[in-house]
Amino acid sequence: AQSVTQLDSHVSVSEGTPVLLRCNYSSSYSPSLFWYVQHPNKGLQLLLKYTSAATLVKGINGFEAEFKKSETSFHLTKPSAHMSDAAEYFCVLTGTASKLTFGTGTRLQVTL
Amino acid sequence: DAGITQSPRHKVTETGTPVTLRCHQTENHRYMYWYRQDPGHGLRLIHYSYGVKDTDKGEVSDGYSVSRSKTEDFLLTLESATSSQTSVYFCAIRDSGTAVDGYTFGSGTRLTVV
Repeated sequence: AQSVTQLDSHVSVSEGTPVLLRCNYSSSYSPSLFWYVQHPNKGLQLLLKYTSAATLVKGINGFEAEFKKSETSFHLTKPSAHMSDAAEYFCVLTGTASKLTFGTGTRLQVTL
Repeated sequence: DAGITQSPRHKVTETGTPVTLRCHQTENHRYMYWYRQDPGHGLRLIHYSYGVKDTDKGEVSDGYSVSRSKTEDFLLTLESATSSQTSVYFCAIRDSGTAVDGYTFGSGTRLTVV
């Protein structure tokens, strides 16, 4: 069985400060991992993906994530938060038949 | 981006009535999925399809059925809607022949069962 755990359901940061959204995974094989973002009342947008080519993955809007096999983690970071980053973020793992397993989400709040 | 549309965008229905949601894609992708999104649960897989007339169950399939008679359309049916099926439903397609190129999601259908 595979699973994804997002360690924080809610994160609040000030604009201009770093963002860290934490994700741990469990998988019996080499996983493909994604981060998706969902703005209020919108669909899901792909931020970045890890597919074993490089452990540090750069995505859109200044986000990046590092795959650490020894820690079974795939944390999402951004050096400086912007108000437009306020959204819900999902860590996602692929499985058999390319089915996606989602974490429960982290709501990012950005304050002035 | 792959063209994927869901219909309707919003629906209110009564308990016990059947409801069908439609997902339409324009780029001939093989894999299609139906997820539901509920607070505190992320998105959970209801059913998926890996080709015309080839479908399988996901983790929350009870009370739902699907059909795929054409590559471009994947229908989700709530056989007898219940209040617990009030949710936002997302359709997704896999964008390429392998799992590594990502998935595209529709805009969602907000279903309310009263």
